[in-house]
Amino acid sequence: GAGVSQSPSNKVTEKGKDVELRCDPISGHTALYWYRQSLGQGLEFLIYFQGNSAPDKSGLPSDRFSAERTGGSVSTLTIQRTQQEDSAVYLCASSLSGAGANVLTFGAGSRLTVL
Amino acid sequence: DQQVKQNSPSLSVQEGRISILNCDYTNSMFDYFLWYKKYPAEGPTFLISISSIKDKNEDGRFTVFLNKSAKHLSLHIVPSQPGDSAVYFCAASGLQTDKLIFGTGTRLQVFP
Repeated sequence: GAGVSQSPSNKVTEKGKDVELRCDPISGHTALYWYRQSLGQGLEFLIYFQGNSAPDKSGLPSDRFSAERTGGSVSTLTIQRTQQEDSAVYLCASSLSGAGANVLTFGAGSRLTVL
Repeated sequence: DQQVKQNSPSLSVQEGRISILNCDYTNSMFDYFLWYKKYPAEGPTFLISISSIKDKNEDGRFTVFLNKSAKHLSLHIVPSQPGDSAVYFCAASGLQTDKLIFGTGTRLQVFP
């Protein structure tokens, strides 16, 4: 596609429920990232996929968070047993990885509200 | 441990004047620095970058300055326009990873 597509754009859920957020990166981009922005905060790195390499999960805040990338394309971020502090905008980005400045192209985000 | 810091949460500038947004970092292994702009309800968009081997990069109204000894970079916008009103994020990456580390952002408001 022309850009990074994320769905749903908005999700309201009850505390304790599981949620799945989807990301469709730009075709041909080998790297895919998940970030989140909590209210009044910066962009917090969550996880990074690069080709067939093991993902960099160093930013995942707890074991309730997981992500996968199927076929080197679409990615799903799953949050189990959601908590109110999980409320944030979850941003996906993709890039053509390589030497030089790594310019990420972001999607519009999925706004998650946990009641 | 905040490796990239933007200490000014907001900045207000009159149209036509210069906007200067600042960013500090702690990791000397960073070798690329980028600025992103974010409008409400949209994802961040890339604005301009600079390699650590340079001290200045210019693109139209936007110039980024890098002071490696001070571990400081700044984004200058001149002349500022109302459409520049957005949140600006500084980001950095290093040789060993493509992961971008972002600052907390500065909200710029350009008023007529």
